[in-house]
Amino acid sequence: GAGVSQSPSNKVTEKGKDVELRCDPISGHTALYWYRQRLGQGLEFLIYFQGNSAPDKSGLPSDRFSAERTGESVSTLTIQRTQQEDSAVYLCASSSRDSQGGETQYFGPGTRLLVL
Amino acid sequence: AQSVAQPEDQVNVAEGNPLTVKCTYSVSGNPYLFWYVQYPNRGLQFLLKYITGDNLVKGSYGFEAEFNKSQTSFHLKKPSALVSDSALYFCAVRDNPGGYNKLIFGAGTRLAVHP
Repeated sequence: GAGVSQSPSNKVTEKGKDVELRCDPISGHTALYWYRQRLGQGLEFLIYFQGNSAPDKSGLPSDRFSAERTGESVSTLTIQRTQQEDSAVYLCASSSRDSQGGETQYFGPGTRLLVL
Repeated sequence: AQSVAQPEDQVNVAEGNPLTVKCTYSVSGNPYLFWYVQYPNRGLQFLLKYITGDNLVKGSYGFEAEFNKSQTSFHLKKPSALVSDSALYFCAVRDNPGGYNKLIFGAGTRLAVHP
């Protein structure tokens, strides 16, 4: 079946502009995660949504970052007044419970953001 | 606090030889461990995970990983490396195996398999 999709695949913007990144999770997956991957580094958690629960925003680096999710479908990550240090690959993942009662996160291809 | 360490930035191995990519972890509760692989300009692909049970976990593409509680390690292994295995490998951990939660990732290890 279809995996996690993200758009745009690449985004170049000027410092100070707002950007919106989109994630379409795997159908039926109740949890959705956003991570950031800076060049040559591992992934940093940003935010996650699970069903109707309040999102865990503990990883958002500043109040310029926000995210929304409509039900158990699409999510958008918005970065306001972008800064050069926001340049990174933004990865989305979705998950649901498996037969063992655990959870596996499946990742999209990412959006590569470059702030000039 | 949870953490993951991948002590090697890069691992070089000849095609056909066995490979090991190391990972150690620190969690307060029971660990829930993962390996992902990232090919150039692509997202992360799930390889395998450990929740409980057998310490040797088998995953995709012939990879396996061994959970060692006393050494707090979860090393990734493959008996015979392929050139196509060359990629960036990430170990990740979380606690609370029964729920949903963020993953804590290591910095990654670049595997280079030479013909």
